[in-house]
Amino acid sequence: DAKTTQPNSMESNEEEPVHLPCNHSTISGTDYIHWYRQLPSQGPEYVIHGLTSNVNNRMASLAIAEDRKSSTLILHRATLRDAAVYYCILSYSGAGSYQLTFGKGTKLSVIP
Amino acid sequence: NAGVTQTPKFQVLKTGQSMTLQCAQDMNHNSMYWYRQDPGMGLRLIYYSASEGTTDKGEVPNGYNVSRLNKREFSLRLESAAPSQTSVYFCASNGYEQYFGPGTRLTVT
Repeated sequence: DAKTTQPNSMESNEEEPVHLPCNHSTISGTDYIHWYRQLPSQGPEYVIHGLTSNVNNRMASLAIAEDRKSSTLILHRATLRDAAVYYCILSYSGAGSYQLTFGKGTKLSVIP
Repeated sequence: NAGVTQTPKFQVLKTGQSMTLQCAQDMNHNSMYWYRQDPGMGLRLIYYSASEGTTDKGEVPNGYNVSRLNKREFSLRLESAAPSQTSVYFCASNGYEQYFGPGTRLTVT
């Protein structure tokens, strides 16, 4: 399985942008890049996903390097509610399902 | 929509006891998944079901069985619980954008 590497933890000031990096040097051509986050004592929550092009949605932006060996999740203005563990995941589709392999993620702390 | 629901929320078992964790989704999704999360770790896939009537093993299937009862429901059974199965169990549904339930916190003593 393709693996991802993320920093264990990061800090951000409230209302500042946050850039969460992820390395995935062994990504294959068919792997999608997903980001999920997990707030304390809750199940993971989908944030965004992409294949090759940069993606934007109401929660965040995903910037994917041209060689696809790294990506960055961008939170445009961090709020206290964004304090969570963020997981960068590569997935593949098989038999109609997507199998996600979670690493340890990056714990984001937001300072008021 | 309730989304993905799981029962029970908490459970304490003695070693060797059995139990079934229930999961249901009301979003008409074909795929459903069971994960476990140990303290300080990411989630690991136990079993998944790509569609009604099919199930497949994930990364850590030993000690578990699953049943895809219908499109809505996907249950996880521990036949003989062991302390190593103490964990938080999450059910999820859908494909590339997975929706997760609130989890079941299981302690095996």
